[in-house]
Amino acid sequence: EAQVTQNPRYLITVTGKKLTVTCSQNMNHEYMSWYRQDPGLGLRQIYYSMNVEVTDKGDVPEGYKVSRKEKRNFPLILESPSPNQTSLYFCATRGQGALEQYFGPGTRLTVT
Amino acid sequence: AQSVAQPEDQVNVAEGNPLTVKCTYSVSGNPYLFWYVQYPNRGLQFLLKYITGDNLVKGSYGFEAEFNKSQTSFHLKKPSALVSDSALYFCAVRDNAGNMLTFGGGTRLMVKP
Repeated sequence: EAQVTQNPRYLITVTGKKLTVTCSQNMNHEYMSWYRQDPGLGLRQIYYSMNVEVTDKGDVPEGYKVSRKEKRNFPLILESPSPNQTSLYFCATRGQGALEQYFGPGTRLTVT
Repeated sequence: AQSVAQPEDQVNVAEGNPLTVKCTYSVSGNPYLFWYVQYPNRGLQFLLKYITGDNLVKGSYGFEAEFNKSQTSFHLKKPSALVSDSALYFCAVRDNAGNMLTFGGGTRLMVKP
């Protein structure tokens, strides 16, 4: 079954404590992306990756890092989380030549 | 910069009635337009897309959308709403040369029995 998985699904942490949210896909898709969803703002793109070792900033990259060492994984790293990064995070993928994206189930992050 | 506006935070409709969820966009070049749906505690699911060709696009679950270039709109429609259609709907745009997808703020659809 085609899947995009994210872990953890829920996370409560404190300001400044480094964390990583993992994203993994089994569809061999080249393109992967991270979004955050905030009420009234829709989804805003944080970072995206066109392929292994190729990443680029989206609309709201400040405070986040990503890496793409393997095709199937695209972790989102918060080196020093702050309360304004409390949000619902989604990973998404799409295949080469495709237009629609497949979304993971989301990770709800709370930073206190 | 590209942008999407969904002017209604919420749309209420009675079951069996037609529904419309509005979307307008701004993008340089020819647009690729999308509708996604989000059910509670779930990720977004793709509903339909417009790339080129016929202005009326049909998608999943009986939904369709009408592309209007002069009004830069891409409204989502369904002839007869179901209670199970109640969800959060997002319109999104991408220009045909870019890799970034820009979403609207979302519209909550409530279908009452």
